[in-house]
Amino acid sequence: KQEVTQIPAALSVPEGENLVLNCSFTDSAIYNLQWFRQDPGKGLTSLLLIQSSQREQTSGRLNASLDKSSGRSTLYIAASQPGDSATYLCAVSREEGKLIFGQGTELSVKP
Amino acid sequence: DGGITQSPKYLFRKEGQNVTLSCEQNLNHDAMYWYRQDPGQGLRLIYYSQIVNDFQKGDIAEGYSVSREKKESFPLTVTSAQKNPTAFYLCASTSRRGSAQPQHFGDGTRLSIL
Repeated sequence: KQEVTQIPAALSVPEGENLVLNCSFTDSAIYNLQWFRQDPGKGLTSLLLIQSSQREQTSGRLNASLDKSSGRSTLYIAASQPGDSATYLCAVSREEGKLIFGQGTELSVKP
Repeated sequence: DGGITQSPKYLFRKEGQNVTLSCEQNLNHDAMYWYRQDPGQGLRLIYYSQIVNDFQKGDIAEGYSVSREKKESFPLTVTSAQKNPTAFYLCASTSRRGSAQPQHFGDGTRLSIL
């Protein structure tokens, strides 16, 4: 059974710092891995999607990497800003479109 | 603007009552999903539908029912058999074109017990 774990559960950093969020999964047979952002009381916004054949994806200040063999992904956020404060969720797709989520990392960026 | 609309934003259920959560999308997506989110936990899949008039159970389907009569609509009914319905419910959709398409989410419905 696929399990997804995110570490740390919460993170507080000063503005401007570079940071890394971690995601691990137990079964390497995945279709893709996605990183989402969730603001309080809101739905999820897709940030990056990495297909199983890819190693990384970049969008602006965000970079996500995928190592299927070790069951790990990282989300790197450069030059963090207070507006980056949110919960970040990773999810793996076990069959087309069916996602299994981690519990999320709650990020707080202090001005 | 294309997107997913969930309504209502807040919903209260009385003992023994069935309630229905609405999810409508105008993204022309084939696949739609319902997830449940509890505090401190990730999302868990309730039901999903890849095509009109067809749907499958997810990991926690007991106490829930769905229909998919139209491509743009995927309502979720929380029945009285669901003994712990208090949660945040999220609807999502995606195109079926391969595995390279991210899921788009609505803003959720928060269900509470009266």
